[in-house]
Amino acid sequence: DQQVKQNSPSLSVQEGRISILNCDYTNSMFDYFLWYKKYPAEGPTFLISISSIKDKNEDGRFTVFLNKSAKHLSLHIVPSQPGDSAVYFCLSSGSARQLTFGSGTQLTVLP
Amino acid sequence: DSGVTQTPKHLITATGQRVTLRCSPRSGDLSVYWYQQSLDQGLQFLIQYYNGEERAKGNILERFSAQQFPDLHSELNLSSLELGDSALYFCASSVLAVNTDTQYFGPGTRLTVL
Repeated sequence: DQQVKQNSPSLSVQEGRISILNCDYTNSMFDYFLWYKKYPAEGPTFLISISSIKDKNEDGRFTVFLNKSAKHLSLHIVPSQPGDSAVYFCLSSGSARQLTFGSGTQLTVLP
Repeated sequence: DSGVTQTPKHLITATGQRVTLRCSPRSGDLSVYWYQQSLDQGLQFLIQYYNGEERAKGNILERFSAQQFPDLHSELNLSSLELGDSALYFCASSVLAVNTDTQYFGPGTRLTVL
């Protein structure tokens, strides 16, 4: 039973364009969401987060949107840069100390 | 560099054996998390410790156990190893134990069971 799904295993985007990564969850107890980026041979690094009381959070080129009714969140990267090429994971957490990662999306930004 | 260290970096062992993975959290972080990343799966949460006590449990097998010591470093013990236990094991740390806390990940330990 996958409570957090990233349905696109990979995404290719041209440099300078927008990258949109998606994450769907089923557990309505999740109330905090984070995005992590992972390069090969390294641990994940934190990018941006959003609380369920908000529907948008921005940090520089990164914006996370949360649609609670659809149980869907997305990460927008604008403009995309070749250094953004990595695997992106969403992490959903709830007050019951549930921690669930999605399976990841490999983003490739083409120069 | 996240400030979280994990040793060893690589570990190769045989089925039926027991291994111990070690994690040192960032200075000042009280909470430690363990995750498993298998080849065909995302990161699976195993267990969390906060200030020496177990805080939350995820999909951790009974053959696996963990502890956090007074100096806050943590060890993950894997016993009766099976081929399917081959994976990357990540440790993460955070200041507190609340779900809104940012976790900082170590570089991982790659375990290969032959």
